[in-house]
Amino acid sequence: QLQLQESGPGLVKPSETLSLTCTVSGGSISNTIYYWGWIRQPPGKGLEWIASIYYSGSTHYNPSLKSRVTMSVDTSKNQFSLNVNSVTPADTAVYYCARLTPVLDYWGQGTLVTVSS
Amino acid sequence: QSVLTQPPSVSAAPGQKVTISCSGSTSNIGNNYVSWYQQLPGTAPKLLIYENNRRPSGIPDRFSGSKSGTSATLGITGLQTGDEADYYCVTWDTSLSAGRVFGGGTRLTVL
Repeated sequence: QLQLQESGPGLVKPSETLSLTCTVSGGSISNTIYYWGWIRQPPGKGLEWIASIYYSGSTHYNPSLKSRVTMSVDTSKNQFSLNVNSVTPADTAVYYCARLTPVLDYWGQGTLVTVSS
Repeated sequence: QSVLTQPPSVSAAPGQKVTISCSGSTSNIGNNYVSWYQQLPGTAPKLLIYENNRRPSGIPDRFSGSKSGTSATLGITGLQTGDEADYYCVTWDTSLSAGRVFGGGTRLTVL
């Protein structure tokens, strides 16, 4: 059974960089069928697409976040990561990682990241 | 402001049927498959419908999907209290270079 697990700091200061990692178990991140993505959900609000990546490193970003977001993949660790720089309180959200087939068929449980001084 | 438009809330009694609409444009719903997700309180979203009307293994046939033009609809029959959740439609948008767009979500209340 495929499992995804987000990890990273739960609190980030304004203007700093938010860094999260998604560890995939029960399957290979190098499988050529799949993309891998990040989605976020501010408290009490809806879902927002952030970005996706292929095992080769090819990426696609939400245009509204593209200037601040970077995704990367580490096939040796079966992980992919997300960096969001120059964060503000508006970046406070539950961040989910997911597999794309291309629908989002497997999700991590999500991790809450709060941006506050 | 979401690219895809959903009603903020719908409600119906147990055993009844409800539909949730999702409206978009030719750059998204009009030319791409739609999927639907259920998000129970405090949990990650779960795939309910993909490719407009297909159900993953384990999803009961009480859940159905359809698409016409630039709109899609999720239908739920035989409502149960356990169906109380937020529901989201998702598709691609060709203007976003393979990025996904979400509806704003619809809160279903089973009265």
